[in-house]
Amino acid sequence: AQSVTQLGSHVSVSEGALVLLRCNYSSSVPPYLFWYVQYPNQGLQLLLKYTSAATLVKGINGFEAEFKKSETSFHLTKPSAHMSDAAEYFCAVEAAGNKLTFGGGTRVLVKP
Amino acid sequence: DAGVIQSPRHEVTEMGQEVTLRCKPISGHNSLFWYRQTMMRGLELLIYFNNNVPIDDSGMPEDRFSAKMPNASFSTLKIQPSEPRDSAVYFCASSSGTPFLLNEQFFGPGTRLTVL
Repeated sequence: AQSVTQLGSHVSVSEGALVLLRCNYSSSVPPYLFWYVQYPNQGLQLLLKYTSAATLVKGINGFEAEFKKSETSFHLTKPSAHMSDAAEYFCAVEAAGNKLTFGGGTRVLVKP
Repeated sequence: DAGVIQSPRHEVTEMGQEVTLRCKPISGHNSLFWYRQTMMRGLELLIYFNNNVPIDDSGMPEDRFSAKMPNASFSTLKIQPSEPRDSAVYFCASSSGTPFLLNEQFFGPGTRLTVL
């Protein structure tokens, strides 16, 4: 069975500072990994996905994530935070059967 | 495309009442998912359909919950009778994936259910 752990339920960053959201997964098979973003009162939107091609994955809105098999991690980063990045971010793993298992989410607050 | 459409967006009901949530997936998508989001349990997959057939309903909490997909463009999630602990945001998502081929899931805006 697969699982996802997101370290830190809340992260506060200053505008212009680095955003780093941590995600560790466990999976018995090579995983597909995803980051989704949820803005207030909206559904989830895909930021990026890893499907065993390049280990560094670039997504929308300047986000990227690096798959590290040795660390079973898929951390999300953005070099410079913008006020519009305030949202909740979910890491998810899909190991088989087109089913996603989500982490608990990390809420990002951006301070001016 | 209008994306995944869910109705109603908000539902307030009293304990014991029947609740029906509706979803229209993106045209051409053949997989449909129902999720529940709560503060305590996060995002949980309730049930997954492929080509209108339920593939995995292991996440359905109990017999009070049922889901149907009578055709490729419509699905319902029914709770009967509803209980206060069912209060949550329910999301529908669709994709063009299959049980063996992964594709991005597109989420609807959700239905916020409050059971008093």
